[in-house]
Amino acid sequence: SAVISQKPSRDICQRGTSLTIQCQVDSQVTMMFWYRQQPGQSLTLIATANQGSEATYESGFVIDKFPISRPNLTFSTLTVSNMSPEDSSIYLCSVEGSSSYEQYFGPGTRLTVT
Amino acid sequence: QKEVEQNSGPLSVPEGAIASLNCTYSDRGSQSFFWYRQYSGKSPELIMSIYSNGDKEDGRFTAQLNKASQYVSLLIRDSQPSDSATYLCASPRGYNKLIFGAGTRLAVHP
Repeated sequence: SAVISQKPSRDICQRGTSLTIQCQVDSQVTMMFWYRQQPGQSLTLIATANQGSEATYESGFVIDKFPISRPNLTFSTLTVSNMSPEDSSIYLCSVEGSSSYEQYFGPGTRLTVT
Repeated sequence: QKEVEQNSGPLSVPEGAIASLNCTYSDRGSQSFFWYRQYSGKSPELIMSIYSNGDKEDGRFTAQLNKASQYVSLLIRDSQPSDSATYLCASPRGYNKLIFGAGTRLAVHP
């Protein structure tokens, strides 16, 4: 499976600020995904990011709050904008695997908003 | 009804026993299922995928799929303390998306 890295691994931010999370994969992939995992909860898909097109957001998530870039086949960023304490969560990127619907996850970014 | 349902646990089993983790799903059209293991503070790791009815074995892990009953399970034989983690069941939804269950926390005690 692909090797996926995320930066930063963790951060503590003040409310009202923005944080950009980077996801880098060591091979070219068509689809990348961004998830949120709130404390003690399961994974919630934020959006799907395909290279060369606008990200597709899930219900409850909007581009103004979570802008996503996908400049090439190995990299994506997720920005958490105008943060509030409710945004404190782990943010995970994943990439498609070789078989249909398989996904592999990066190590995650633990965000705390104070 | 949630699309993918799991008992949150914790499921506590003694070392060496068989741990049985269960998942039910609502979409009869689902064709494939995935089991992820997530250690505390870590990201989910894909451990099993199953695409057809019946059993699929990989080492100490066996995934079982029953499409008629909309039921998928993961059996861990000879459970070890290192198997203690949260196990997430996932099913496809839409184009290349996965929807995850809430996860079952497994505790294997010596």
